[in-house]
Amino acid sequence: DQQVKQNSPSLSVQEGRISILNCDYTNSMFDYFLWYKKYPAEGPTFLISISSIKDKNEDGRFTVFLNKSAKHLSLHIVPSQPGDSAVYFCAASAGMTGGSNYKLTFGKGTLLTVNP
Amino acid sequence: DGGITQSPKYLFRKEGQNVTLSCEQNLNHDAMYWYRQDPGQGLRLIYYSQIVNDFQKGDIAEGYSVSREKKESFPLTVTSAQKNPTAFYLCASSFTQSGFWNSPLHFGNGTRLTVT
Repeated sequence: DQQVKQNSPSLSVQEGRISILNCDYTNSMFDYFLWYKKYPAEGPTFLISISSIKDKNEDGRFTVFLNKSAKHLSLHIVPSQPGDSAVYFCAASAGMTGGSNYKLTFGKGTLLTVNP
Repeated sequence: DGGITQSPKYLFRKEGQNVTLSCEQNLNHDAMYWYRQDPGQGLRLIYYSQIVNDFQKGDIAEGYSVSREKKESFPLTVTSAQKNPTAFYLCASSFTQSGFWNSPLHFGNGTRLTVT
């Protein structure tokens, strides 16, 4: 049973345009969400996070939106740059409520390609 | 520079042999984790440790073993009982804070294990 779903395996956008990566979750105990970026043969690097008490968090070109009622979050990258081309993983945790003790559940990832 | 070091980057073993993957961190993080990534899959948690001399099974612990004798080190042994050991293994660490977790995982650059 996949608790964190990224239904788009890949996404291609033009440089300068907006990239929107989507993530759905099924576990209502999840209360903290993160996005990681991963280049081939490297470990994921933390990008941005959001707790369930917020519906938006922004950091430079990256904004994460959380819709708790729909159990859906999205990552917006504006403007997209070729260096953003990577696999993006959505992850979730019930850690803030003490549920899963710091465990992260990851989606399968979305490969973003930003074309010059 | 602080970080997580995984060695070696590539590892080859014959079927039936145990192999130990190294993970060292100098971030003074309390918790350490082992994840496994397979093609087209998200990261799946193998084992995690919140404190020295203590560790818990993750979602796919069968065929693996760990130890946490030092805060800085969390080696993973892939035993001959693991049916599909060929994968990309990622070690991670994080701070922990009792009752509230908001520390993103920091990942190493991974070890690609190939068993033939």
